Amino acid sequence: SQTIHQWPATLVQPVGSPLSLECTVEGTSNPNLYWYRQAAGRGLQLLFYSIGIDQISSEVPQNLSASRPQDRQFILSSKKLLLSDSGFYLCAWSVSGSGNTIYFGEGSWLTVV
Amino acid sequence: AQRVTQPEKLLSVFKGAPVELKCNYSYSGSPELFWYVQYSRQRLQLLLRHISRESIKGFTADLNKGETSFHLKKPFAQEEDSAMYYCALRETSGSRLTFGEGTQLTVNP
Repeated sequence: SQTIHQWPATLVQPVGSPLSLECTVEGTSNPNLYWYRQAAGRGLQLLFYSIGIDQISSEVPQNLSASRPQDRQFILSSKKLLLSDSGFYLCAWSVSGSGNTIYFGEGSWLTVV
Repeated sequence: AQRVTQPEKLLSVFKGAPVELKCNYSYSGSPELFWYVQYSRQRLQLLLRHISRESIKGFTADLNKGETSFHLKKPFAQEEDSAMYYCALRETSGSRLTFGEGTQLTVNP
């Protein structure tokens, strides 16, 4: 069966420090991968999605970037965190193609202080 | 661009009472609508999708294209229904979900 894991679960980082959140999917190949963020008082916002290695789309301009070094690995990064980057980050995956159910990871709480 | 609106951030009902979580959308095409739920300390998971026309955990949701709504309903709420509920839209033949802001449902004993 397919599983998705993301880590770390919680993270407290100072302003200006780098960020790396990792996500891996097991039990499937060539999945669509997604990074969502839930900021305080706001809904889930799609940050990045990827339909394959080196195929990453950014949905909103921001202080973050995403990379997909392997087929089932998706990394969310920042070189210098801002206070506004605090929030709950969710990695998700779906079977490649369209119209398929999206499954979410456990989420990562990021607090920038 | 598509948009999903959940007008209630918080909703509180008593056990056994009916509950309705509102969801409205704007999209020019023919969308797919979903409800996702996140229970305390659990991951976000799919509750139901409109094309399935099914009842999950007693919840149902009907897509009303005239009113562009996809409200989630349950006739008798249970304490274990307390959770955060997200309405989501996906454009036909698309792969990305657009979420509403979520409604935190609390069912009181």
